[in-house]
Amino acid sequence: DAGITQSPRHKVTETGTPVTLRCHQTENHRYMYWYRQDPGHGLRLIHYSYGVKDTDKGEVSDGYSVSRSKTEDFLLTLESATSSQTSVYFCAIRGSTGTNTGELFFGEGSRLTVL
Amino acid sequence: DQQVKQNSPSLSVQEGRISILNCDYTNSMFDYFLWYKKYPAEGPTFLISISSIKDKNEDGRFTVFLNKSAKHLSLHIVPSQPGDSAVYFCAARGRNTGNQFYFGTGTSLTVIP
Repeated sequence: DAGITQSPRHKVTETGTPVTLRCHQTENHRYMYWYRQDPGHGLRLIHYSYGVKDTDKGEVSDGYSVSRSKTEDFLLTLESATSSQTSVYFCAIRGSTGTNTGELFFGEGSRLTVL
Repeated sequence: DQQVKQNSPSLSVQEGRISILNCDYTNSMFDYFLWYKKYPAEGPTFLISISSIKDKNEDGRFTVFLNKSAKHLSLHIVPSQPGDSAVYFCAARGRNTGNQFYFGTGTSLTVIP
């Protein structure tokens, strides 16, 4: 196992409420990612981080913010959840390598339902 | 716009036969490709990768083939086993994508005993 923990694993919330998902790693990897998985869309990148306080947007970043104050934690926040954000969210990590390669290791996912 | 495409949502194969999963991409700057396997209620797990300097990479029952001119890669599983039944995602990154990995929509493989 790659040492990634996501919390909560399941959450049901109402439209308009804030939600924070947490990703915690024990690998001291530099790169951390948040993806969402939806039927017909596969895995789409929301935001990623390349170091403490260093983050960048992915393909579907609207409505999401992230923070990384420590190497081991990467938080995904939905400031005001909408039904379109109902999804399964996956965190992934990747270590620095000497080349352009290096695979992603994924957490077990957080299923979010927005009513 | 989807830069990595898996045009077959599902595939059924008899146990012991070959499974071939296909993936196409549009970004000519992609130079590193990966396949992931995903069981229900679990996170994707890394299977095999290939760099653009190669056209084939093998790991046990799994072989990935890369055809750069056609912007196409495929994953061959031989022989297929019931435990291989899962959703398979291909992914890619490249010189112009920074640290971003782009994933296809997935192919659901069912291996029939």
